[in-house]
Amino acid sequence: AQTVTQSQPEMSVQEAETVTLSCTYDTSESDYYLFWYKQPPSRQMILVIRQEAYKQQNATENRFSVNFQKAAKSFSLKISDSQLGDAAMYFCAYRRSDSWGKLQFGAGTQVVVTP
Amino acid sequence: EAEVAQSPRYKITEKSQAVAFWCDPISGHATLYWYRQILGQGPELLVQFQDESVVDDSQLPKDRFSAERLKGVDSTLKIQPAELGDSAMYLCASSLARAGRNEQFFGPGTRLTVL
Repeated sequence: AQTVTQSQPEMSVQEAETVTLSCTYDTSESDYYLFWYKQPPSRQMILVIRQEAYKQQNATENRFSVNFQKAAKSFSLKISDSQLGDAAMYFCAYRRSDSWGKLQFGAGTQVVVTP
Repeated sequence: EAEVAQSPRYKITEKSQAVAFWCDPISGHATLYWYRQILGQGPELLVQFQDESVVDDSQLPKDRFSAERLKGVDSTLKIQPAELGDSAMYLCASSLARAGRNEQFFGPGTRLTVL
């Protein structure tokens, strides 16, 4: 069975600063996908960034980047130049590459952005 | 921009009553997912459809929950009878294909409160 662990229930960051969210996962598979999803209050969940396990290069999307450490089974998200609109719940998720697409989510980290 | 539609957005019901949620995926998306998100937790997959066929309902409490996607387009999730522990957000998502890199697009969810 695979499990996804997010150990930080809440993280606070000032505008324009950087915050890093941690995620660890447990799997015996060698090929899989990892995702970070953002869920703003009362709005739908959206994909922030994704990483294929077979790629060594860390994914980046504008101000969002990941640090993927496959051996350590770690997948952290860095938000640079934080903006008020980044305030949301962030979920780390795992999916086996050969599965029917089932996502397994962590418990989430609430990001609070202060002016 | 195409979105996943869900209704109702909020539902309050009494224990032992029947409730139903509706989801309309993005046009052309063959794969449809229903997730349940208990407050303070990440979403958990209840059922997954590929076109009109169920491909994963291993976490669906089949004694009280049912789901259908008769024409392979929109879908209905039903709970009968509702229990206090069913209070949660019910999320629908869709994707173009079942796995690989395909992104899952989420709807706004239905917030269910069982009294």
